[in-house]
Amino acid sequence: AQTVTQSQPEMSVQEAETVTLSCTYDTSESDYYLFWYKQPPSRQMILVIRQEAYKQQNATENRFSVNFQKAAKSFSLKISDSQLGDAAMYFCAYLRYNNNDMRFGAGTRLTVKP
Amino acid sequence: EAGVVQSPRYKIIEKKQPVAFWCNPISGHNTLYWYLQNLGQGPELLIRYENEEAVDDSQLPKDRFSAERLKGVDSTLKIQPAELGDSAVYLCASSFVQTGELFFGEGSRLTVL
Repeated sequence: AQTVTQSQPEMSVQEAETVTLSCTYDTSESDYYLFWYKQPPSRQMILVIRQEAYKQQNATENRFSVNFQKAAKSFSLKISDSQLGDAAMYFCAYLRYNNNDMRFGAGTRLTVKP
Repeated sequence: EAGVVQSPRYKIIEKKQPVAFWCNPISGHNTLYWYLQNLGQGPELLIRYENEEAVDDSQLPKDRFSAERLKGVDSTLKIQPAELGDSAVYLCASSFVQTGELFFGEGSRLTVL
């Protein structure tokens, strides 16, 4: 079974600084997707960034980038120039290719200090 | 384009009472998910539909939970009778097969007293 582990229950960052959220996963598959989702307080979960396992290049979306280490089964999220609006729960998720069974980690609560 | 719509947003009931949640997915999305999210935790899959078929309901407590997705569009999740431990947020999500991305509704927060 695939599992997703987020070892940081809480993280904090100063506004305009950079923070990295960690995620590891366990799978025997070679083709899969990895995602980071953001869930602001009392609001719906939205996609931040996605990575296809067959791509060696790390995904980037504006201030958000990932460090995907396939051999180590590691998928960290880097948020640059942190903003107050980045405060939220962040969930790492795994999806096997050609399968719709999405698995989530327990989440990391990010606080942004002004 | 409308997103995933869930109702009600909030529900407070006494234990042993029934409750139902409704979800309307994004038009054209054939996969629909119901997740349970406890406070401070990640979503846990309850049931997944591909069109009208429930393809994964292994984590659904079938003694008290039931779900249906008539005509492969909207879906209803029911709990009868509710227990104190059912207090949580029930998330609905949908996706188009093989695109990978799930789109979530705002969730239905259940409080059982």
